Amino acid sequence: QSALTQPPSVSGSPGQSVTISCTGTSSDVGSYNRVSWYQQPPGTAPKLMIYEVSNRPSGVPDRFSGSKSGNTASLTISGLQAEDEADYYCSSYTSSSTYVFGTGTKVTVL
Amino acid sequence: QVQLVESGGGVVQPGGSLRLSCAASGFTFSSYGMHWVRQAPGKGLEWVAFIRYDGSNKYYADSVKGRFTISRDNSKNTLYLQMNSLRAEDTAVYYCAKDFWDSYDYWGQGTLVTVSS
Repeated sequence: QSALTQPPSVSGSPGQSVTISCTGTSSDVGSYNRVSWYQQPPGTAPKLMIYEVSNRPSGVPDRFSGSKSGNTASLTISGLQAEDEADYYCSSYTSSSTYVFGTGTKVTVL
Repeated sequence: QVQLVESGGGVVQPGGSLRLSCAASGFTFSSYGMHWVRQAPGKGLEWVAFIRYDGSNKYYADSVKGRFTISRDNSKNTLYLQMNSLRAEDTAVYYCAKDFWDSYDYWGQGTLVTVSS
C-alpha cells in the first residue's frame, strides 16, 4: 500500500494552467477508473473535485479537469485563481479492495 | 443537507484504546459504504478503513489491520472506529467520509486523536 506519487508543489500565475500528476501502479491507477481528486485548504476538511478519473461533482467549476494514461492520472486547473491555492490529493481504489492516497501537492498562485 | 459529525477523539496513552463515532444525517445512511481517513499533523491523507453499506465487508490499511475495527449501526445512522493498541504514529485527525463510486464525496470536520504518555 505505497502512496501514489505526486509532485510536492506546483505554481502558476492567475489565469495560467497547472497540471498535477499522480503516479501509481498496475495494481491501482493503471487498472481502475476509480481515481479521484481532493482540494484541501489549510485547516479544513478535504473536498471532492473529481471522481472516476474525469467526472466533476455538481458545484465544482469546469476549470478543474481530470484524465488518466496508463499508471498516471492528472488534474489540470485552467484559468488559475487565487482561491485555488490549497493542497491537492489524488486517491485510487486498489486490487486489494483497499484505497490509497497520493503524497499531496501544494498549489501556489503567484 | 448531508452532515457527518465525528466525536470521541482525545488524548490516550500508548497501548490504550479509543472509540470514534460518526453521526450521519441528510442521506440514506444504510445505502452507502463509509470510510475512515486520517491525517497526521502536517502530513498527508491516509485511508484507514472501509465498510460496505450493510456491514457485510470491511477492509483495512495494513498500518491498522488487527488493531482497528470499523463497524456501523444503520438503525442509529452511526459509523464507528474502535482503535486498540494505539501507537504514537496513530496521532492524527480522523475523518469519516461517505463513499461515492470509490471516492469520498462528503467529509466530517474531523476529530483529533493524540497518543502520548
